[in-house]
Amino acid sequence: KAGVTQTPRYLIKTRGQQVTLSCSPISGHRSVSWYQQTPGQGLQFLFEYFSETQRNKGNFPGRFSGRQFSNSRSEMNVSTLELGDSALYLCASSLDGQGVTEAFFGQGTRLTVV
Amino acid sequence: QQQVKQSPQSLIVQKGGISIINCAYENTAFDYFPWYQQFPGKGPALLIAIRPDVSEKKEGRFTISFNKSAKQFSLHIMDSQPGDSATYFCAASRGNTGFQKLVFGTGTRLLVSP
Repeated sequence: KAGVTQTPRYLIKTRGQQVTLSCSPISGHRSVSWYQQTPGQGLQFLFEYFSETQRNKGNFPGRFSGRQFSNSRSEMNVSTLELGDSALYLCASSLDGQGVTEAFFGQGTRLTVV
Repeated sequence: QQQVKQSPQSLIVQKGGISIINCAYENTAFDYFPWYQQFPGKGPALLIAIRPDVSEKKEGRFTISFNKSAKQFSLHIMDSQPGDSATYFCAASRGNTGFQKLVFGTGTRLLVSP
């Protein structure tokens, strides 16, 4: 069974640009959640999607958005990039999205904003 | 209320020794407590998880001890090996919210010396 696939693995963007990251969950998993990992703030929850609906959102500005498609693949978008958005962005998939189910992470997308 | 406090920040253990990492939480609604292992350049990998209806769970060399009254849980790595050198994160989530959201500890960098 293939794991969680995130593309691209690395990105370098300029301040003010926008970026789209992609996540393909484990086959059969319907919940996709996104996390930002930085040395200073650790792992922080961005948002979670289930059956194409955003069910919960973390404490991030509106520049961070996402969506989920009918095949459960998800994308997140960051507009008007700031230097502080440089981070490892991680996607996790789980079977049905309830809090007690296992969540499996992808390898992440390393975003560098210059 | 949403925080998970993890200690120590870093840990050096000799090969064959026992590594112990501790976490504490405040929110009594949490009912799922996973541990993740992360190697540099990789996403977090689910190691072992526990629910509050048991006080201990063992998988191979890894054991979670859970103390519900103290709101604490810990990871014990027996017979630690150099290959266990990684960053370990505890996490917690609630199962009755209808969505998947993990609250992470700040991580423990473990170094197992040969």
